[in-house]
Amino acid sequence: QVQLVESGGGVVQPGRSLRLSCAASGFTFRSHGMHWVRQAPGKGLEWVAVIWYDGSDKYYTDSVKGRFTISRDNSRNTLYLQMNSLRVEDTAVYYCVRDRSWPAGYFDYWGQGTVVTVPS
Amino acid sequence: QSALTQPPSASGSPGQSVTISCTGTSSDVGGYNYVSWYQQHPGKAPKVMIYEVSKRHSGVPDRFSGSKSGNTASLTVSGLQAEDEADYYCSSYAGSNNLVFGGGTKLTVL
Repeated sequence: QVQLVESGGGVVQPGRSLRLSCAASGFTFRSHGMHWVRQAPGKGLEWVAVIWYDGSDKYYTDSVKGRFTISRDNSRNTLYLQMNSLRVEDTAVYYCVRDRSWPAGYFDYWGQGTVVTVPS
Repeated sequence: QSALTQPPSASGSPGQSVTISCTGTSSDVGGYNYVSWYQQHPGKAPKVMIYEVSKRHSGVPDRFSGSKSGNTASLTVSGLQAEDEADYYCSSYAGSNNLVFGGGTKLTVL
């Protein structure tokens, strides 16, 4: 069965960095685009970034451009999100999401999420 | 990249139907047939219910249906059941490899 397991979350001071990981299993990882979606406490969902199945293209929401980098290692079936210059407003649950069809935005599997807290 | 507009709350009694709207612009909802709907129970990850406006994800009951007219998409839940109580989010492709979500609607089954 498809599993997406995020890790790497924690409490980090403003301006510091954090790297999230997502271990994928149960499907052919290298065949799917992957995304990060986040949800601030008590708030709605926000799309963060997408990476093509082969890592050849990456796109970001405006608020993280220049600070976050999405990447993947298809030999390790792992997705990453390098987050630099973290801000208080980056506090959220970060979900790793499998793309069934882009640009349809058809996200068919989600991880359980990892919590990132940037205290004020 | 403004969020799509959803009503904060909706409600209905068991067995009734309820419709949740999702309003965007011609640059997102109105411009593409790429609207999805997600259900999220408290403390859980979202689950896809509808994709490409009206296609049901595998295993989703046919009580759930989606539609779109102009810049507004809608999710209808017929024959409401207690387990349908959850938060619902719409999303739409917004061009240039961007995706936007709605603010979410809390559905209460009375």
